[in-house]
Amino acid sequence: KQEVTQIPAALSVPEGENLVLNCSFTDSAIYNLQWFRQDPGKGLTSLLLIQSSQREQTSGRLNASLDKSSGRSTLYIAASQPGDSATYLCAVGVQGAQKLVFGQGTRLTINP
Amino acid sequence: DARVTQTPRHKVTEMGQEVTMRCQPILGHNTVFWYRQTMMQGLELLAYFRNRAPLDDSGMPKDRFSAEMPDATLATLKIQPSEPRDSAVYFCASGGLRSLIIGNEQFFGPGTRLTVL
Repeated sequence: KQEVTQIPAALSVPEGENLVLNCSFTDSAIYNLQWFRQDPGKGLTSLLLIQSSQREQTSGRLNASLDKSSGRSTLYIAASQPGDSATYLCAVGVQGAQKLVFGQGTRLTINP
Repeated sequence: DARVTQTPRHKVTEMGQEVTMRCQPILGHNTVFWYRQTMMQGLELLAYFRNRAPLDDSGMPKDRFSAEMPDATLATLKIQPSEPRDSAVYFCASGGLRSLIIGNEQFFGPGTRLTVL
């Protein structure tokens, strides 16, 4: 059974810092990996999608990497801003199906 | 502006009542998912459909929950009878094949916050 873990559960950093959020999964036979952002009381916004054959994806100040063999993904946020404060969720697409298994998320706070 | 819509956004009901949640997927998407989010369990997949056919509902309590997709523009999740432990946020997501390279990406609706008293 695929399990997804995100560390740390919460992170608070001053504005302007570069930071890394971690995601690990137990079964390397994945279809894809998706990073989401969730604001309090809101739905999920897709940030980046990495196919199993890819190593990384970039969008603006965000860069996500995938190392399938070690069961890890990282989300790198450059030059953090208070508007980046949210919960970030990592989800793994189960191979053979498109259903996602989610981690518990990292609650990020960027302090002005 | 293509997005997944869900109704109602909030629902408060009493134990034993029937609850129906609705979802309109993004036009052209062929896969629809229902998730439940709680503080304790996080996000859990309840069921999903492809081309309106149910593919997996193993995450759903069968005795009280049912999911249907009467047409390509409407998916429903019904709870009958509802119980306090069903209180959660229920999300619908839709996905479609963006390309053979990028593959499926899921887009989430704003959720229905359900409170069962």
